[in-house]
Amino acid sequence: NAGVMQNPRHLVRRRGQEARLRCSPMKGHSHVYWYRQLPEEGLKFMVYLQKENIIDESGMPKERFSAEFPKEGPSILRIQQVVRGDSAAYFCASSLRVMKGDLSGNTIYFGEGSWLTVV
Amino acid sequence: DQQVKQNSPSLSVQEGRISILNCDYTNSMFDYFLWYKKYPAEGPTFLISISSIKDKNEDGRFTVFLNKSAKHLSLHIVPSQPGDSAVYFCAASITGANSKLTFGKGITLSVRP
Repeated sequence: NAGVMQNPRHLVRRRGQEARLRCSPMKGHSHVYWYRQLPEEGLKFMVYLQKENIIDESGMPKERFSAEFPKEGPSILRIQQVVRGDSAAYFCASSLRVMKGDLSGNTIYFGEGSWLTVV
Repeated sequence: DQQVKQNSPSLSVQEGRISILNCDYTNSMFDYFLWYKKYPAEGPTFLISISSIKDKNEDGRFTVFLNKSAKHLSLHIVPSQPGDSAVYFCAASITGANSKLTFGKGITLSVRP
């Protein structure tokens, strides 16, 4: 899937534990997005980050969820004190740039996903 | 509020025939539309896109049509192949608004040999 790397692919956590999902964007991409797909649902936007900045977190649950994209290293989506309802597929995506009038930069490429199961 | 709607959850077509997947949107601010294909246990794969300044974009067997006045777009696949069987997501974004995508719920396409 166009070079966006996610790990782990599958993660099992007990209720109350922490889940940490990692994403390395495509080479040259500085914009990272996290989406979540619950069973039988479409993909829902969670958060949009650039290096060291959270640009839009309007889709993030208010509690227990956080995301970062440090200057060095992958983007991390962290879920604290997981509950059964957090079980879902979490997809990371990246894009080249966001420039008004340059719509080709708006194409977002997805990773393979991380499947979180909370038991 | 579902801003991007894919009202038909599934579609079945014969190999070699045309597949037409429909998508409607409600937000008139959307100006860039994309179609993604997704196999089970994999991430969505970008297929084709169209900006609001166009009404048609073609790439091989895939053509996307946009009718802005009706807030409707469709993906045509011709000829359909068994390997096209997957879930297809329509997505929309607003240029400059962080380009976050709003997705429909997807359509499951089955192409019968």
